[in-house]
Amino acid sequence: AQKVTQAQTEISVVEKEDVTLDCVYETRDTTYYLFWYKQPPSGELVFLIRRNSFDEQNEISGRYSWNFQKSTSSFNFTITASQVVDSAVYFCALSERGGSGSRLTFGEGTQLTVNP
Amino acid sequence: EPEVTQTPSHQVTQMGQEVILRCVPISNHLYFYWYRQILGQKVEFLVSFYNNEISEKSEIFDDQFSVERPDGSNFTLKIRSTKLEDSAMYFCASFSGGSYEQYFGPGTRLTVT
Repeated sequence: AQKVTQAQTEISVVEKEDVTLDCVYETRDTTYYLFWYKQPPSGELVFLIRRNSFDEQNEISGRYSWNFQKSTSSFNFTITASQVVDSAVYFCALSERGGSGSRLTFGEGTQLTVNP
Repeated sequence: EPEVTQTPSHQVTQMGQEVILRCVPISNHLYFYWYRQILGQKVEFLVSFYNNEISEKSEIFDDQFSVERPDGSNFTLKIRSTKLEDSAMYFCASFSGGSYEQYFGPGTRLTVT
């Protein structure tokens, strides 16, 4: 069975600080996909990134970066120079069987608060 | 950009009543999903639907729940006799089978009183 653990329930930082959100996953599949979603106070789920299990390259998109390490089953998310607008709940999620039609399993989420 | 839409945005109902939550997935997508998020908790999978039938369901998706694609565009979740613990945000999602990204709708907040 697949499982996603986000050990950090809440993180509070001051604007312009860097912050890393941890995600550890469990799966028996060799082919799987990992995701990060942002949920702002308005409640919608905003897709941030998808990474497949064969691609361990780190990715950077603006102030966001992701570190995927199969050896430790982790897919961590870093926000550089955080801003107040980054305040949200962030969910890590896993899809097995190559993603084709299979369910997403979400972690518990990390509530990030960025203070001015 | 195509998007998944859901109606209503907020539904209030009394315990024991039936509710139908509606979703319009992205038009060329093949897989459809319902997820649930109880306030302050994680997003949980309910059911997936492909080729006009349920392809997978979770233990949450009991006989009180049903899904349907009554026409070529809508995808509905019915709860037959709502309970207080059904109060949650319900998200619909669709997936093309190619991009591996599930596109989520904005959600319907269901409040059972």
